[in-house]
Parts: sequence; C-alpha cells; structure tokens
Amino acid sequence: AQSVTQPDIHITVSEGASLELRCNYSYGATPYLFWYVQSPGQGLQLLLKYFSGDTLVQGIKGFEAEFKRSQSSFNLRKPSVHWSDAAEYFCAVQIQGAQKLVFGQGTRLTINP
Amino acid sequence: AAGVIQSPRHLIKEKRETATLKCYPIPRHDTVYWYQQGPGQDPQFLISFYEKMQSDKGSIPDRFSAQQFSDYHSELNMSSLELGDSALYFCASSLEGPGQVYEKLFFGSGTQLSVL
Repeated sequence: AQSVTQPDIHITVSEGASLELRCNYSYGATPYLFWYVQSPGQGLQLLLKYFSGDTLVQGIKGFEAEFKRSQSSFNLRKPSVHWSDAAEYFCAVQIQGAQKLVFGQGTRLTINP
Repeated sequence: AAGVIQSPRHLIKEKRETATLKCYPIPRHDTVYWYQQGPGQDPQFLISFYEKMQSDKGSIPDRFSAQQFSDYHSELNMSSLELGDSALYFCASSLEGPGQVYEKLFFGSGTQLSVL
C-alpha cells in the first residue's frame, strides 16, 4: 500500500538558519506530491505541490521542494527560517486516479530565537 | 475571500452520545472531503462527496455517516461516540471531481471534538 514517511518527528533550528524537512513515499508510480503547514488549532495550508516537469518547485513563504525520483523523496527546504515558521509540516501524496490524500506523520518545527 | 467554514469549532460530548459536524465549502466547490486527525497524528481520510454523491470512502467507522446536501454543504454524523473519537475533524473542498488532481484543495480550520 502507498505510504508517506517523514523520518523526523521534531526538528529545532535557530532563526535565520536553513531548514530541510524530509519526506519519502512508497508507491510504484510517481504520485502527486504536496507539502502542507498547520499552525496550532488551524487548518492545513498548502505550501507547494509537484505534479510533473521541473523537479524543483517553489512555494509560498519562501519554501521550495525538490522531487528526486531515484530516492522517492520530496524534501522541503527554506534557506532562512523565521520565527513564524514554527508549525507542524505534513507531506502528502495523491495517488493518480484516486481522490484522497495520504499524509505523512508530520514534522513539528520549533524555532529558537 | 471566502474559505471553508466548519461548525462548531469545538464540541464536547459524552460517551455514547451523538454529534453532528457541519462543513460549508467554498462557493462553487462541489467536492467535499472529511479528514480525522487524532492528537499528534496525521490526518486520515474518512469520506468524500462529489455532486452530492459519495465519491470515495476511507477509514470511516460504521457509526459515522455523512452526506452532502443540495447547497453542497456537508454534515458528518457520529453516533455512539467513543473516547477514541476525540480528534480534530477537517473538512476540505475543491473544484476538482473524482480522479482529478488537487489543483486547489482548501481546508477548513476544523472541529475539535472531545469525548468525555
């Protein structure tokens, strides 16, 4: 069955430092890939998505992600984090032809001043 | 801009009671999805509707039922509540129908259900 793995449950970085959140998926074909951010008590907000084409995709709030087929990965990056980036981040896949999203376990990001 | 509206924001129930959660999608969105997110868990897909018909079903317990009405709002009905039903319930809406890619999927802020 398809699955999404986010190996890091919790990451702490200093404000201004770079960030990379890992995401691996398990599926025979290339799914559609998403990153969502969730602030406490809030809904999920789409950061970026990959369907096809250029493997480096740009999203909102200065985030980007790179799809690597050989590694079945879709890691999220940001060159310099801000205190407001503290939140829970979810990687998700949509299998082609299916309607539901399958989410990873989430990575909680804490920012040190 | 209009967003996905969920009501109530918070709901407290006791075991074996029933609960009804409501979702009002963005205008012109005819597809609605329900997700359940337990404490510290990732969101799990429950059920979806397209044009008032059930379009997909996930890990939704038999005690739960849902429907989409003529105005496209949706209700999730939960009966015989159990402690394990305590979770954040998200609704999402989109313009895309079954089999299409989520070009634009919008989530509501969720209903926090606490079962005591």
